[in-house]
Amino acid sequence: EVVLTQSPDTLFLSPGERATLSCRASQNIGTAYIAWYQQKPGQAPRLLMYDAFTRATGIPDRFSGSGSGTDFTLTINRLEPEDFAVYYCQQYSRSLPWTFGQGTKVQMK
Amino acid sequence: QVQLQESGPRLIKPSQTLSLMCTVSGDSIDSDDYYWNWIRQSPGKGLEWIGYIHSAGTTHYNPNFESRISFSIDTSKKHFSLNLSAVTAADTARYYCARANIEPRQRAFDYWGRGVLVTVSS
Repeated sequence: EVVLTQSPDTLFLSPGERATLSCRASQNIGTAYIAWYQQKPGQAPRLLMYDAFTRATGIPDRFSGSGSGTDFTLTINRLEPEDFAVYYCQQYSRSLPWTFGQGTKVQMK
Repeated sequence: QVQLQESGPRLIKPSQTLSLMCTVSGDSIDSDDYYWNWIRQSPGKGLEWIGYIHSAGTTHYNPNFESRISFSIDTSKKHFSLNLSAVTAADTARYYCARANIEPRQRAFDYWGRGVLVTVSS
């Protein structure tokens, strides 16, 4: 099973700042097969990125993804108030089962 | 607009079988293009993928559940279902259904239901 470790657990930032979230896989999962989700309290996760760097429909371009192999990053430029939430990475490689990271909470400073 | 809606009991006793249903609207559940998934979320274990079923009946289960889980799909009624046997308190979680594209690079979960909170307690 591929274990995804996200860091940091919590990120304290202010609106307008940049958030950089990390996701590290326990084995090489190639150049893609990573997704990022945003979850707000009482809501289901919402897909932000897939294929490591492709934004899902309707996702603003302040969200960007990068990485390959075992290290992946989600960057949120110019944080908006609605961006304060928990973010999860997920791998959907050929290596089943598909797994999620434990989450990074982006909290207002 | 694709919508998924989970339904089923909110409270179940230990050792019983949990049965949940996911009804799909705004999309063709009989399309060859998607996998239909179950995912759960608990405070202790975070988000956990349980498995998927395809309209052709193909399934793939997370080995952590494999001895207890079974999925079914009824394309005429536009729903798919989960049965999880011999539940314990550790199965207390919010259960979500979600869609994933069958294309390897696009297999993220793009549509989710709101989830149903299931508590296992005597």
